[in-house]
Amino acid sequence: AQTVTQSQPEMSVQEAETVTLSCTYDTSENNYYLFWYKQPPSRQMILVIRQEAYKQQNATENRFSVNFQKAAKSFSLKISDSQLGDTAMYFCAFMSGNQFYFGTGTSLTVIP
Amino acid sequence: NAGVMQNPRHLVRRRGQEARLRCSPMKGHSHVYWYRQLPEEGLKFMVYLQKENIIDESGMPKERFSAEFPKEGPSILRIQQVVRGDSAAYFCASSLYSMETQYFGPGTRLLVL
Repeated sequence: AQTVTQSQPEMSVQEAETVTLSCTYDTSENNYYLFWYKQPPSRQMILVIRQEAYKQQNATENRFSVNFQKAAKSFSLKISDSQLGDTAMYFCAFMSGNQFYFGTGTSLTVIP
Repeated sequence: NAGVMQNPRHLVRRRGQEARLRCSPMKGHSHVYWYRQLPEEGLKFMVYLQKENIIDESGMPKERFSAEFPKEGPSILRIQQVVRGDSAAYFCASSLYSMETQYFGPGTRLLVL
């Protein structure tokens, strides 16, 4: 069974600082994808970043980057230069076949 | 290119009534997925449909819940005889191909009184 674990229910960071959100997953699959989604108070699910498991290079999208450790089954999200608009729930997700498996989320608050 | 559309955004039903949730995928997307999010939890997969076909409904309760994605028109998630435990946010997502990035709609918040 695929599981996704986010061990940090809540985190906070000062504006302009850097924060890292943790995610681990468990699977016996070799071909899969990993995602981070952001859910602001509006509850919309917004794709932040995506990583293909077969790629060794870590994905980067502007201020967002990941540290993908396939052997350790770890997929952390780093947010640099945090902005107030980054305040949201962040969900780590694993996709295998056609199903997404989501973690329980990390609530991030950016403090002015 | 409009994103995934869901309506209504909010739906209130009394116990025993029916709830119909609609989802229009992104233009050109023929793969649709439904998820349920209970308060303080992550999203849980319910069903995956491709035009006119249910591909995977392993996450959907066997009773009272059904889904369709007709050749024309939006995908519909139907909940019959709703109970309080059905209160949740229901998200629809679509993708261009299978095993591709899924793009989510804004969700429908269902409240059962």
